[in-house]
Amino acid sequence: GNSVTQMEGPVTLSEEAFLTINCTYTATGYPSLFWYVQYPGEGLQLLLKATKADDKGSNKGFEATYRKETTSFHLEKGSVQVSDSAVYFCALSDRSTGNQFYFGTGTSLTVIP
Amino acid sequence: NAGVMQNPRHLVRRRGQEARLRCSPMKGHSHVYWYRQLPEEGLKFMVYLQKENIIDESGMPKERFSAEFPKEGPSILRIQQVVRGDSAAYFCASSRDRVADTQYFGPGTRLTVL
Repeated sequence: GNSVTQMEGPVTLSEEAFLTINCTYTATGYPSLFWYVQYPGEGLQLLLKATKADDKGSNKGFEATYRKETTSFHLEKGSVQVSDSAVYFCALSDRSTGNQFYFGTGTSLTVIP
Repeated sequence: NAGVMQNPRHLVRRRGQEARLRCSPMKGHSHVYWYRQLPEEGLKFMVYLQKENIIDESGMPKERFSAEFPKEGPSILRIQQVVRGDSAAYFCASSRDRVADTQYFGPGTRLTVL
């Protein structure tokens, strides 16, 4: 079946530190992979995505590379800011098993000045 | 271009009452998905609808929960005879078509059952 396993939090970093949030997946077909961000009290916003192996998604300084050999899609940012404090969700969609998204449990990030 | 809209944003119900959650998809989107987020957990798929049709309800509890997406108007998620365990955030997402691989999420409805 399809599932996403995400690094547990919470994660606390100082401003300008390097961020990595690990995400691995299992899928029966050929999934697309996503990172969504949820700010306090708000819905999920698409942060970046990758639709095939070796694709790199990037947005707002965040990057993630679709690694089929390790079934991973780790999120990275070179220098975090206080405004990056949020919950980050890794997700996959697999058209061969329908259109639903499968989400990880989320990783809470707090960036302190 | 307005995003996905959900209302109400917050809903309080007593046990045994009914809860109705509404979702208006993005303009041009005809596919709607409902997800539930329990405290400290990720989102879990509930149901996928297209206009006037339920496509996949494999994540929907068998009793008390129903969903519709009429030809006119928003999609409705209805929970009858709510219990405390129904307290959660309910998110709606929409996509342009069946094969579009990006879903856009609304701000959610936070349901509290007293």
